[in-house]
Amino acid sequence: ETGVTQTPRHLVMGMTNKKSLKCEQHLGHNAMYWYKQSAKKPLELMFVYSLEERVENNSVPSRFSPECPNSSHLFLHLHTLQPEDSALYLCASSQAGARGSPLHFGNGTRLTVT
Amino acid sequence: GIQVEQSPPDLILQEGANSTLRCNFSDSVNNLQWFHQNPWGQLINLFYIPSGTKQNGRLSATTVATERYSLLYISSSQTTDSGVYFCAVVFGNEKLTFGTGTRLTIIP
Repeated sequence: ETGVTQTPRHLVMGMTNKKSLKCEQHLGHNAMYWYKQSAKKPLELMFVYSLEERVENNSVPSRFSPECPNSSHLFLHLHTLQPEDSALYLCASSQAGARGSPLHFGNGTRLTVT
Repeated sequence: GIQVEQSPPDLILQEGANSTLRCNFSDSVNNLQWFHQNPWGQLINLFYIPSGTKQNGRLSATTVATERYSLLYISSSQTTDSGVYFCAVVFGNEKLTFGTGTRLTIIP
């Protein structure tokens, strides 16, 4: 079993759909992250949760809504997305925040918005 | 703003060759990590190395914090080494910032 698991691996959705991405970590970490990876661009940090509290929201549009019910689970709720939101969405976890410990990523969800 | 530059952007090598990937950063760091993203998109943490040298099998990394660069060495390359290599750094209390990566292609 991998340390950080994301589902689904692939998702195609229309602009009016509502869907959710799920992330689960089995590493005992206390911080979780959502990153967006678009073609030809560096990874962009979207949200950070530390001890289940959102500690960073990196100017992400409200059509992306994160949820962290406990330290092992993280969701990203999607609503009325745009085609430019098509990207690879990566979940990661670490201990005590990324500043002081290694970051571990899931396999990602490749999202296509039609 | 914070600058993280990686070179070369692309590298194509024959299987068995050695390679050196470089990461330059514009300020003092308190956290530097190297990652490998395979062709399926999975990002693997290779090293957590804010300073000094570490080795893990055919891979090793050196960070010279005072001169603001880090190097990732890959020896005896294999096709499974193909993918994109990212460095990511933290300056002070800022968030982890990723470079744009080096795309490595190992030809059999």
